[in-house]
Amino acid sequence: QAQVVQSGAEVKKPGASLKLSCNVSGETFSDAYTHWVRQAPGQRLEWMGLINGGGDAPNYAPKFRGRVTMTTDSSTTTVYLDLSSLRSEDTAVYYCVKTRNYYDSFAMWGQGTVVTVSS
Amino acid sequence: EIFLTQSPATLSVSPGERVTLSCRASQYVASAYFAWYQQKPGQAPRLLIYGASARASGVPDRFSGSGSETDFTLTISSLEPEDFAVYSCQQHESAPFTFGQGTKLEI
Repeated sequence: QAQVVQSGAEVKKPGASLKLSCNVSGETFSDAYTHWVRQAPGQRLEWMGLINGGGDAPNYAPKFRGRVTMTTDSSTTTVYLDLSSLRSEDTAVYYCVKTRNYYDSFAMWGQGTVVTVSS
Repeated sequence: EIFLTQSPATLSVSPGERVTLSCRASQYVASAYFAWYQQKPGQAPRLLIYGASARASGVPDRFSGSGSETDFTLTISSLEPEDFAVYSCQQHESAPFTFGQGTKLEI
């Protein structure tokens, strides 16, 4: 049974960087895609980008380009999200989502990671 | 970027009622790339409908989706207590993939 398990909650100061992890198991890692979606308090879900298991050609939402990096480690079937220059508006629940194909709907969600950015 | 607008923002309803939620896209979205999600407090979203009208695995048949091009609808034929949640639409045809702001069903 495929599973998506995310790392634990984080508290960061403004200006710091964030690194979240997402372990994807149960299916062929290299053929799958992992998306990152976040949800700030009271706000709509916001797609940040995606990467395939091979780590090739990530696609980032324009809003996050220059601040976000997504990487993969195929030996541990883990996907990472790096977000730099954090500000209070980055306080949100961050989800990773696994899809089999690039344009699939989002059937398999991680449990979410709460990130708080505060001085 | 395709912008999705849902209406209404909040809907006060009772168990047993039939409800219709709407989602309008700022430009054409192919039905194959349109989905609906249910989200309860403290939980990740759950896929309900994909391809605009197909129910995801395990989704009760009281949930149905319809629509095309720029106007899509989610209908719940008879509300159960566990259906009180936030419902969001999504297009995953054109990156950045986008979501609507959600419709909250409340008692």
